[in-house]
Amino acid sequence: SQQGEEDPQALSIQEGENATMNCSYKTSINNLQWYRQNSGRGLVHLILIRSNEREKHSGRLRVTLDTSKKSSSLLITASRAADTASYFCATDERGAQKLVFGQGTRLTINP
Amino acid sequence: DAGVIQSPRHEVTEMGQEVTLRCKPISGHNSLFWYRQTMMRGLELLIYFNNNVPIDDSGMPEDRFSAKMPNASFSTLKIQPSEPRDSAVYFCASSSPRSGYTFGSGTRLTVV
Repeated sequence: SQQGEEDPQALSIQEGENATMNCSYKTSINNLQWYRQNSGRGLVHLILIRSNEREKHSGRLRVTLDTSKKSSSLLITASRAADTASYFCATDERGAQKLVFGQGTRLTINP
Repeated sequence: DAGVIQSPRHEVTEMGQEVTLRCKPISGHNSLFWYRQTMMRGLELLIYFNNNVPIDDSGMPEDRFSAKMPNASFSTLKIQPSEPRDSAVYFCASSSPRSGYTFGSGTRLTVV
């Protein structure tokens, strides 16, 4: 079963703009991770945020986590055409030792 | 390290045939996961192993699906008999407590 719910399902913006994707989940987690998947390719790990962290940065990526609302957001600043991909959040459920993925957000960056 | 290696990359088979997907995890990783991805259902966890032992196979859709991990460096996912609705991309991933998850490139299965 899918735990994470991404919002929006699809997002189309102009190059240079910022892109924000949201994720909600239902259970207690050890950490939350974001992955990128280019069309027809495998998943690439982007960033991990632990349950006791509220914000994390990696290059142009900024992730926030609100465990009280069971939600996370991924912000990509100064978007580039190469950022076009599907983005998935995945929760590492406490006590379960497994990663459960959401349905993903399909991001399109228009040049 | 070459990462998680899956084979074959593509598989086209006829309905009713047996299909075996293979995965070589990253050396030193003690957990291995099989996922299936379809447009309709997204990424579904089928089964995962910890130290070669199956921990949770609740995601395996039917008895036609089976998975084994005979040693720390190899796992198989078998579908017998295959059906058209099994068509999907199957991903293998491995992890360890000190590292994140690493996914293979996937096997695109088409059952006709």
